[in-house]
Formats: sequence, C-alpha cells, structure tokens
Amino acid sequence: QKEVEQNSGPLSVPEGAIASLNCTYSDRGSQSFFWYRQYSGKSPELIMSIYSNGDKEDGRFTAQLNKASQYVSLLIRDSQPSDSATYLCAGEGGNEKLTFGTGTRLTIIP
Amino acid sequence: DTGVSQNPRHKITKRGQNVTFRCDPISEHNRLYWYRQTLGQGPEFLTYFQNEAQLEKSRLLSDRFSAERPKGSFSTLEIQRTEQGDSAMYLCASSVIGTRGFGYTFGSGTRLTVV
Repeated sequence: QKEVEQNSGPLSVPEGAIASLNCTYSDRGSQSFFWYRQYSGKSPELIMSIYSNGDKEDGRFTAQLNKASQYVSLLIRDSQPSDSATYLCAGEGGNEKLTFGTGTRLTIIP
Repeated sequence: DTGVSQNPRHKITKRGQNVTFRCDPISEHNRLYWYRQTLGQGPEFLTYFQNEAQLEKSRLLSDRFSAERPKGSFSTLEIQRTEQGDSAMYLCASSVIGTRGFGYTFGSGTRLTVV
C-alpha cells in the first residue's frame, strides 16, 4: 500500500465549477500535508499546506484535513483554464521528509 | 538568490555514460533533498542532506548513484553507467530544519534522457 494515495483521474471540470481533489494517507505519524501544482514539463509548485483538522482557505483554494479518516482534499472554486495541471498531495513525516502521491491530472474545460 | 537552481536543465546521454547534476539551494536552507519523477508518477525520494551530512538514502538509490554536499552548500548527484530506466526528471528541493509545515521549494529540475 502506498503511503499517500490519490485518485489518479484524469478529472475534467467545466470552467467556473468547483474541482475536488482527494488524497488518503496511511502514516498516522504524518502531521502536515501539502498540495503542489505541477504544469506539464515543469517542477512542482507549493499552493497549500494544512496541519490542523478542518478547512484552510486561500483565495479560490480550500484544503481540508480529517486526521481521523486520514483524508486530505483540495477544492478549487471558480475553476479557470489556468488551473489545468497535475495536483500532487504530499504528507510530511517525522523527519520533515515529504512523501508524494502519484498526482491527479485536472483539466478545466472552457 | 531567488530560488533553488538546478543545472543542467536537460541532459541526453548514451547508455553506459556517467552524468552529474548540480543543485544550488536557497542560501539559508540547511536541508537539501533529491527526488526522481518519472512520467505519470509523483516525485520519489532519493536522498537528503542536513548541512553536509547525508542523513537518509532511499532503496531506489542503487550503488550507481552517489550524492554529495560538500561544505553544506551546493549538492551534486552523479549517476554512473546510466541505464534507460534512469530516464526521469531529477528534482532538488531545499528547506530550513525545524520549519515543519512549510514544505519544500523545488528547483526547475534536470530532465535526463538515456538513449
């Protein structure tokens, strides 16, 4: 079992709608979680971090963490074509090392 | 110093040749990580340094791979006797120890193609 699992997609969402990306993790010792955005051929870019149960909002992005269910999600409101990318979920272990999921490819349809 | 710098951006090499990549972290960052990413996969951890000490190596890092970080500044990743399976994006990231919850800053990566 992978330590961090994501629904691999691809996920297609109409422009202006809400995109929902999900991630589960197996290491209960993981304390912090991250969402990275990766455009094709580019390196990952950090867009959200969360370490407390509940929601964290930043502009059009909301990260949600449920430690009891070992579940992390990212919501993107008012999706734009520029949001089309692969989204990587990562968990931070005890040595501050990040373990990544395989990513979910998101396409926003104009 | 505006970010993590990796060189070269692209490298094409023949199977069996040795290659070396360089990573310059953000200057005050004392942790440096190497990851490898193949098409359709997330980044996979290879190794990391705290200052000049290499603290952990993944099982993915065969004996053909070696990494160094002399003086705790830049780092190099060398692959000897390259194989086609080594073709991937090699990513470097840096962080400051004790900044749990802040994540990493990645460099632009080095894309290796072994022909």
